[in-house]
Amino acid sequence: AQRVTQPEKLLSVFKGAPVELKCNYSYSGSPELFWYVQYSRQRLQLLLRHISRESIKGFTADLNKGETSFHLKKPFAQEEDSAMYYCALGGGRGSRLTFGEGTQLTVNP
Amino acid sequence: GAGVSQSPSNKVTEKGKDVELRCDPISGHTALYWYRQSLGQGLEFLIYFQGNSAPDKSGLPSDRFSAERTGGSVSTLTIQRTQQEDSAVYLCASSPTSGTEAFFGQGTRLTVV
Repeated sequence: AQRVTQPEKLLSVFKGAPVELKCNYSYSGSPELFWYVQYSRQRLQLLLRHISRESIKGFTADLNKGETSFHLKKPFAQEEDSAMYYCALGGGRGSRLTFGEGTQLTVNP
Repeated sequence: GAGVSQSPSNKVTEKGKDVELRCDPISGHTALYWYRQSLGQGLEFLIYFQGNSAPDKSGLPSDRFSAERTGGSVSTLTIQRTQQEDSAVYLCASSPTSGTEAFFGQGTRLTVV
């Protein structure tokens, strides 16, 4: 069975500080992992996906199959990064996308 | 269309009434999801449609909830005999195929009074 765990429901950092949002997954096959973000009063949108190995808005995430983790990182947090972040796991064809419970990030001035 | 569209944006209903929420997915997307997001809470999976396969209804909280997807496109989520605890934002998302990136609608905010 697919499972995504985001251990921190709330995370608060100061502007300019590094931030790491944790995500662990459980899946027996080859996973596809995503990070979604929901800014206040906006729709949920894709932030990045592991297969693209991209950096979006300064955020990066590396898939660690040994630790079954896909943590989201940014070296210098900005106030506009304050949002709800969801980690999601896709198991390929035939499986549905599974979301973690989300982490509410607050970046304080 | 440009994206996933949901209607209505807001719905206020009296306790005990039935409501229907509509989702128009992105054309050609075979997978469609319904989620619920209560105030301050995360995403609660409700139901998942993939092509012509039987839907995954494992997330529906009670038999008052049902959903259908006609012609592999538009989906309707129906809540019968609404209760106050049904108040939430109902989100629809679609994907080109199962297990891949999902695109979300703006949601329907349901308030049961």
